[in-house]
Amino acid sequence: QKEVEQDPGPLSVPEGAIVSLNCTYSNSAFQYFMWYRQYSRKGPELLMYTYSSGNKEDGRFTAQVDKSSKYISLFIRDSQPSDSATYLCAMSLLQGGGYQKVTFGIGTKLQVIP
Amino acid sequence: DAGVTQSPTHLIKTRGQQVTLRCSPKSGHDTVSWYQQALGQGPQFIFQYYEEEERQRGNFPDRFSGHQFPNYSSELNVNALLLGDSALYLCATTKRGARETQYFGPGTRLLVL
Repeated sequence: QKEVEQDPGPLSVPEGAIVSLNCTYSNSAFQYFMWYRQYSRKGPELLMYTYSSGNKEDGRFTAQVDKSSKYISLFIRDSQPSDSATYLCAMSLLQGGGYQKVTFGIGTKLQVIP
Repeated sequence: DAGVTQSPTHLIKTRGQQVTLRCSPKSGHDTVSWYQQALGQGPQFIFQYYEEEERQRGNFPDRFSGHQFPNYSSELNVNALLLGDSALYLCATTKRGARETQYFGPGTRLLVL
């Protein structure tokens, strides 16, 4: 079993739709939960990160963490064609010496159709 | 404020050759991590450098080695290239007090023929 599971999609939605992206994980020691957006042939760009269970909102994006279920989500409201990208969930835990070890999901490819 | 930069952007090598990739961290960042991202996969952690020493290592063979310089920039070296080493190689940097936020460079796309 992989530490982080993510549906690779592709997910295709019409412009203006609400998008829900999800990941599950198996390691209860994970402390930070991140979402990255990666456009084709580019490096990942950090969208949001959270530490505790609950919701965190930033503009059209909402990150949700449920540690009891080991489940995280990213919601995108009023989706735009420019949101078309691959969305990577990532989780990290603190190693000895204060270093974060980050584990990524496989990424979900999202296409927003005008 | 300069972001993370990587060079070269693209590289083509043949099996058995050696390659060196370079990363310059974002201003104020002191820790560099390297990742391998195969097509259709998430980034896989290779290793992390801090204070010019390798601090953590993922599940990669010794053919993968690295170095960090006093100015915090870093190199990734891969020896005896295999076809399976074809991937996007990403570096990500962090700074003290904000280790949870990694900033990625654009990557180096390596093709091994």
